Amino acid sequence: KQEVTQIPAALSVPEGENLVLNCSFTDSAIYNLQWFRQDPGKGLTSLLLIQSSQREQTSGRLNASLDKSSGRSTLYIAASQPGDSATYLCAVLTGANNLFFGTGTRLTVIP
Amino acid sequence: DTAVSQTPKYLVTQMGNDKSIKCEQNLGHDTMYWYKQDSKKFLKIMFSYNNKELIINETVPNRFSPKSPDKAHLNLHINSLELGDSAVYFCASRRGRAGEINNEQFFGPGTRLTVL
Repeated sequence: KQEVTQIPAALSVPEGENLVLNCSFTDSAIYNLQWFRQDPGKGLTSLLLIQSSQREQTSGRLNASLDKSSGRSTLYIAASQPGDSATYLCAVLTGANNLFFGTGTRLTVIP
Repeated sequence: DTAVSQTPKYLVTQMGNDKSIKCEQNLGHDTMYWYKQDSKKFLKIMFSYNNKELIINETVPNRFSPKSPDKAHLNLHINSLELGDSAVYFCASRRGRAGEINNEQFFGPGTRLTVL
């Protein structure tokens, strides 16, 4: 059964720092991996989607990488801003159209 | 314009009641989903619908029943509510049929259900 883990569970950084969030999954037979952002009391916002054949995707200050064989993905955030404070979730899409979510990393960017 | 919308945003009710949560997407997507986020913030898929056909029915109690009157709507009906049903329920949708998998899922704002 697919299990998705995110480390660390919580992270606090001063504004301006670059940071990396980690995601690992146990079954490498995935179709794609998606990174989401969730603000307190709000829904999920899709940030990046990496297909299984891709190694990375970039959007603005965000860069996500995927190493499918080792079951790992990272989300790199450059020049962090207070507005980046949120919970970041990774999710992998497996067969039967199942999207398995990780446990999330709660990011706080301190002004 | 809101892409995926849910109503109500908050729902507080007594044990044993029957309630429904509505979801609508204006993206023209083919597949819609319901997820449950528990108190530990873990998201788990409950159902998905593609062209009015149930594709996934995870091991959720049969008190939960998804109803799709048309492609743009997937409502969640819950019978005989229990304390453990308290959670945030998210609706989502994506473009493409079951086999067209490499499309992003877009999520609604969530419905916080509290069962007293």
